[in-house]
Amino acid sequence: DVQMTQSPSALSASVGDRVTLTCRASQSISTYLNWYQQKPGKAPELLIYTASSLQYGVPSRFSGGGSGTDFTLTISRLQPEDFATYYCQQSYSAPRTFGQGTRLEMK
Amino acid sequence: QVQLQESGPGLVKPSGTLSLTCAVSGVSISSSYWWTWVRQPPGKGLEWIGEILHTGSTNYNTSLQSRVHISLDKSKNQFSLKLTSVTATDTAVYFCARIESEEWFHPWGQGTLVTVSS
Repeated sequence: DVQMTQSPSALSASVGDRVTLTCRASQSISTYLNWYQQKPGKAPELLIYTASSLQYGVPSRFSGGGSGTDFTLTISRLQPEDFATYYCQQSYSAPRTFGQGTRLEMK
Repeated sequence: QVQLQESGPGLVKPSGTLSLTCAVSGVSISSSYWWTWVRQPPGKGLEWIGEILHTGSTNYNTSLQSRVHISLDKSKNQFSLKLTSVTATDTAVYFCARIESEEWFHPWGQGTLVTVSS
């Protein structure tokens, strides 16, 4: 199975900050990497697919990058609604696996 | 607009069978998509359970493979999850979702909490 490791596990930041979250795969997964945002009590929502494609309706302050084993999710200017947990997920091979999540907290 | 809605018992006894249904609206479940189940134990991360194609082909998480079964009901435009021999560790919020381009999960259902307890 492809293991996905996210760092950091938690991050404190302020409105207006630029933050970068990292996801690392245990083997090369090309760009078969997706990012989701989850708010408490809600279902995850797709933000980024195939590593860098922005899902329709997602603000342009979100961007994704990387390929192979190392990937990033960057939020250019944090807004109050961005404080949530973020998960990466690989779709390169079965079983589909998620990272353990990064909780983005307000400083 | 595609929407998914999970339903089923919120409480299941240990050693029993967890059964959930995901009702799909806005698209035919017979169209060329995979449909999937994901779960999330309280306070923890996401775990992929398995998926089913419109043809009925399935893939399961190897850690659950011996206990899980996913099926389609095309007449009702829904798909279902059965998990047998449940224990307290199967307590979780269960989500259903569509898999687009065979890769990413979108959209998701709102999720349903299933508690395993006597």
